[in-house]
Amino acid sequence: EIVLTQSPGTLSLSPGERATLSCRASQSVLSSYLAWYQHKPGQAPRLLIYDASNRATGVPDRFSGSGSGTDFTLTLSRLEPEDFAVYYCQQYSRSPHTFGQGTKLEIK
Amino acid sequence: EVQLVESGGDLVQPGGSLRLSCAASGFTFDEYAMHWVRQAPRKGLEWVSGISWNSGTIYNVDSVKGRFTISRDNAKNSLYLQMNSLRPEDTAFYYCASSGSYYGHFDSWGQGTLVTVSS
Repeated sequence: EIVLTQSPGTLSLSPGERATLSCRASQSVLSSYLAWYQHKPGQAPRLLIYDASNRATGVPDRFSGSGSGTDFTLTLSRLEPEDFAVYYCQQYSRSPHTFGQGTKLEIK
Repeated sequence: EVQLVESGGDLVQPGGSLRLSCAASGFTFDEYAMHWVRQAPRKGLEWVSGISWNSGTIYNVDSVKGRFTISRDNAKNSLYLQMNSLRPEDTAFYYCASSGSYYGHFDSWGQGTLVTVSS
């Protein structure tokens, strides 16, 4: 099983600031089959980034993903009020399709 | 518009059974793999089970093997999760999600259905 470790656990920032979220895998994620999701209370999770760096349809360009192998990053260039949520990385290169434990992005 | 609507969540006693359903619309269901993901109270997302478009590939996470069975009916555009021998630690919101292939990102999600296992 590929274990994904996200850091930090909680990130406190203000609107307009830049956020950098990390996801580290216990072994290489083949074909960069890694996604990022945004999850808000009472809502369905939302796909943001797939295959490490591709933005999903309708996702603003302030969201970007990068990385390969075992180290991946989600960057939010300028935080908007609606961006404060929990973010999860997920690998889908091997079963089980594991998720990281999440990073909570909160308003400072 | 893609829609995934889960149903079947309920309060059940430990050792009991429950069947979750996920009704799909707005896309060609039989071309997509489907998955169940859960979120326990105050915990993160956990992938539970996945099934390929033709049911040829099925996988369950270790904690539910032998207890949960994923299945689909492409004629009814529906996904199911039969849950037996339920435990308190199975208490969670259960989401269904779709992916273009079994090894694919989850592009659409339902709103979830709540399963509570308690006496």
